[in-house]
Amino acid sequence: GVTQSPTHLIKTRGQQVTLRCSSQSGHNTVSWYQQALGQGPQFIFQYYRKEENGRGNFPPRFSGLQFPNDSSELNVNALELDDSALYLCASSLKSGGKETQYFGPGTRLLVL
Amino acid sequence: AQSVTQPDIHITVSEGASLELRCNYSYGATPYLFWYVQSPGQGLQLLLKYFSGDTLVQGIKGFEAEFKRSQSSFNLRKPSVHWSDAAEYFCAVANNAGGTSYGKLTFGQGTILTVHP
Repeated sequence: GVTQSPTHLIKTRGQQVTLRCSSQSGHNTVSWYQQALGQGPQFIFQYYRKEENGRGNFPPRFSGLQFPNDSSELNVNALELDDSALYLCASSLKSGGKETQYFGPGTRLLVL
Repeated sequence: AQSVTQPDIHITVSEGASLELRCNYSYGATPYLFWYVQSPGQGLQLLLKYFSGDTLVQGIKGFEAEFKRSQSSFNLRKPSVHWSDAAEYFCAVANNAGGTSYGKLTFGQGTILTVHP
C-alpha cells in the first residue's frame, strides 16, 4: 500500500514542512492533494517518472520531489494558517495495460 | 475547466434501504469518472471508475454507478445499505493527461452518509 509520514504535525506560521509518501516499487506516478476540513481534496501536483506532470492552483511555495525509489516529498514553505489540512498522496501503477491507484492515509497538518 | 457537483451534503438512510448519491460533472471531453469513499481519519478508497464502454459500472462493496452523458451525471447506487457504509463519498473527474488515467482529479465537496439501524 501507500504510507505517509508523519501522521500528524503541528507547525507555526512562517515555518517550513516536509511531508513524505512511500509506495510500492514501480508506482511511477504520485499525486498530492490538500483536503481542508469539510471539503473535497484539491489537486496540488503530480509527478510522473520524476518530473512534475501537472499542477493545480497552488503557489510555488508548495513544491515536491519524486525519488528514484518512487517515494515522494511535499514541501511547503512559509506556512500560512490556511495550509492547515489533511494532505493525501496517491500513487499509481500500470501493469499489463491496467492502471491501479492507491491513496495513503494522509498527514494532518495544523498551522498555528 | 472541469468541475464536479455533489448536490447533497448529507444523506440519511435506514439500514437495508436503497441508496443513490448524485454527481454532476463538467468536462469538455469524454471524462474519466470515479467514486471514492472516506471513513473518518482515513484516506480515500476507490469504489469504482468509468473510463469507457458499458455505462453501468460495478464496483466494490456492492456499489454501482451509471454514466449518463446527456445528463452529465455519474450517480452512485446501492440496493441495500449496511451500517458499515456510513462514511463520506466523493465523486471525481480526471483529465487523463500525461500518460496516466489518474491525472488531475477534481473532486466534489462530498456527501456524508449516515445509516440508521
